[in-house]
Amino acid sequence: SQTIHQWPATLVQPVGSPLSLECTVEGTSNPNLYWYRQAAGRGLQLLFYSVGIGQISSEVPQNLSASRPQDRQFILSSKKLLLSDSGFYLCAWSEVGVSFVFGAGTRLSVL
Amino acid sequence: AQTVTQSQPEMSVQEAETVTLSCTYDTSESDYYLFWYKQPPSRQMILVIRQEAYKQQNATENRFSVNFQKAAKSFSLKISDSQLGDAAMYFCAYRSWGGTASKLTFGTGTRLQVTL
Repeated sequence: SQTIHQWPATLVQPVGSPLSLECTVEGTSNPNLYWYRQAAGRGLQLLFYSVGIGQISSEVPQNLSASRPQDRQFILSSKKLLLSDSGFYLCAWSEVGVSFVFGAGTRLSVL
Repeated sequence: AQTVTQSQPEMSVQEAETVTLSCTYDTSESDYYLFWYKQPPSRQMILVIRQEAYKQQNATENRFSVNFQKAAKSFSLKISDSQLGDAAMYFCAYRSWGGTASKLTFGTGTRLQVTL
């Protein structure tokens, strides 16, 4: 069966520090992968998606970047965090015609 | 671009009663998917129910059912026999039918409280 792992679960980082969140999927090949962010009290905003290794599409201009070094690995990064980067980050995978499956999320606090 | 609107920021229901959460969407596409996701305090996103736009029959999953009105672009969720464990944020979401990387577009959510 397919599973999705996301870590860390919680992260507290100072402003200006780097960021790396990792997401891996098991039990499937060539999945579409997505990073969403949920700000406090708001819905989910799509940040990046990827249809294959090295293929990244950005939905909104921001301080973050994404990479897909392996088929089932999706990484969200930042060189210098801003206060506004605080939020709840969710990784998800999907195949065409199938519902999205979400990871457990990472709660990021930038202080 | 598609948009999803949930006009009820908060709803409350008594245990064992029925509640309906509203959702409207805007699209020019004829084929698509609609979803309801539940986000409990753990913040894990859990799929509640899914509807394919080409299906006229409303989807049901145990105590959860939808009222899908394609012409009106309306997709409401009905929870019957509400339980304390149903308390959560509920998100309505839209997904295009095809495309290389079909994205999921969410509404802003409805917080459901379940009281004794």
